[in-house]
Amino acid sequence: DQQVKQNSPSLSVQEGRISILNCDYTNSMFDYFLWYKKYPAEGPTFLISISSIKDKNEDGRFTVFLNKSAKHLSLHIVPSQPGDSAVYFCAAIDGATNKLIFGTGTLLAVQP
Amino acid sequence: NAGVTQTPKFQVLKTGQSMTLQCAQDMNHEYMSWYRQDPGMGLRLIHYSVGAGITDQGEVPNGYNVSRSTTEDFPLRLLSAAPSQTSVYFCASSYRGQVTGELFFGEGSRLTVL
Repeated sequence: DQQVKQNSPSLSVQEGRISILNCDYTNSMFDYFLWYKKYPAEGPTFLISISSIKDKNEDGRFTVFLNKSAKHLSLHIVPSQPGDSAVYFCAAIDGATNKLIFGTGTLLAVQP
Repeated sequence: NAGVTQTPKFQVLKTGQSMTLQCAQDMNHEYMSWYRQDPGMGLRLIHYSVGAGITDQGEVPNGYNVSRSTTEDFPLRLLSAAPSQTSVYFCASSYRGQVTGELFFGEGSRLTVL
């Protein structure tokens, strides 16, 4: 039972355009959400996070939006750069168990 | 800047063999965890520890043992390897535990079980 779902396995975007990565979740006990970025042969690295009491958090080119009623999370990258090409994982913390649950990942390819 | 160090990076085992994946961190982090990454499955939590002497099960703990005798080390033991345990394993640590989820990951250990 996948509690955190990333329904798009891959996404291709032109350099300079906006990349939008989506994530849906089912567990209403999730109270903190994160995005991680992973390059091949490396471990994931933390990118940006958002608490469930907020609906938006921005850090430079990266913005995360949270729609609690829809149980939906998205990551916007503007403008996209070739160096952003990586696998992006959505993750959520279950406030009841304190476990961090990851989604299946979306491979972003930014074309020059 | 060592951060989280995993060894070995690659390992091939035969079914039924045992082995230990090592994980060490030099950031004095209280929280440590092990994940496995499989195609189409994302990262799944195997075991975690909130401090020395304390461990707990994650989403997929069967077939794995852990211990946390020191703050720095968190080894993952496969007692009797099975082909289903072929995966890439990541160790991760955090200063504040899972509260904010900002984990530091190692580079991964690729395990193949024949």
